[in-house]
Amino acid sequence: DAGVTQSPTHLIKTRGQQVTLRCSPKSGHDTVSWYQQALGQGPQFIFQYYEEEERQRGNFPDRFSGHQFPNYSSELNVNALLLGDSALYLCASSLKGLKEQYFGPGTRLTVT
Amino acid sequence: QQQVKQSPQSLIVQKGGISIINCAYENTAFDYFPWYQQFPGKGPALLIAIRPDVSEKKEGRFTISFNKSAKQFSLHIMDSQPGDSATYFCAASVQTGANNLFFGTGTRLTVIP
Repeated sequence: DAGVTQSPTHLIKTRGQQVTLRCSPKSGHDTVSWYQQALGQGPQFIFQYYEEEERQRGNFPDRFSGHQFPNYSSELNVNALLLGDSALYLCASSLKGLKEQYFGPGTRLTVT
Repeated sequence: QQQVKQSPQSLIVQKGGISIINCAYENTAFDYFPWYQQFPGKGPALLIAIRPDVSEKKEGRFTISFNKSAKQFSLHIMDSQPGDSATYFCAASVQTGANNLFFGTGTRLTVIP
């Protein structure tokens, strides 16, 4: 049973560029949430997708956007990258109606 | 504003000892309290979780104690092992809407042989 997978593992971008991160949820899960984890901090909720729609959003600017596909996989897009966007981006999957969230290994984004 | 406050920031325990990590919250709408374990370079792994209708939950060497009136909960790791050395995060989510998690700031546990 495959767990949550994310790609790429690492990414280096320049300030002002745009980036797309990808996530495949755990088998059987239909809900994907994205979190940002700065170094030495706990993950911060960005947004959640269910039935291909953004259902809830945390305190992140519109530069952060996402998408969910019919197969439940998801993308996180960040435009106009800032140095402060450097972080580990985590995807978590769950089954609608259940509380348990399972995280992927993350994508380490470095903005120079 | 940190919705879930976690302490201590770091903890050193000898092998075989008990590791205790504490968390506190203010939002009484929280109804689900998981603990996650994170190793360097990895994503958080769900360890154990509790709901406010019980005061304690035990799974193997890991126990959550929950005090609803004090709005506090803690993780106890019995017989701590060097392999338990990791960063532990407490979290909480609300009853309604999306089940997004609010995380504590983490506790770096080191178990020395």
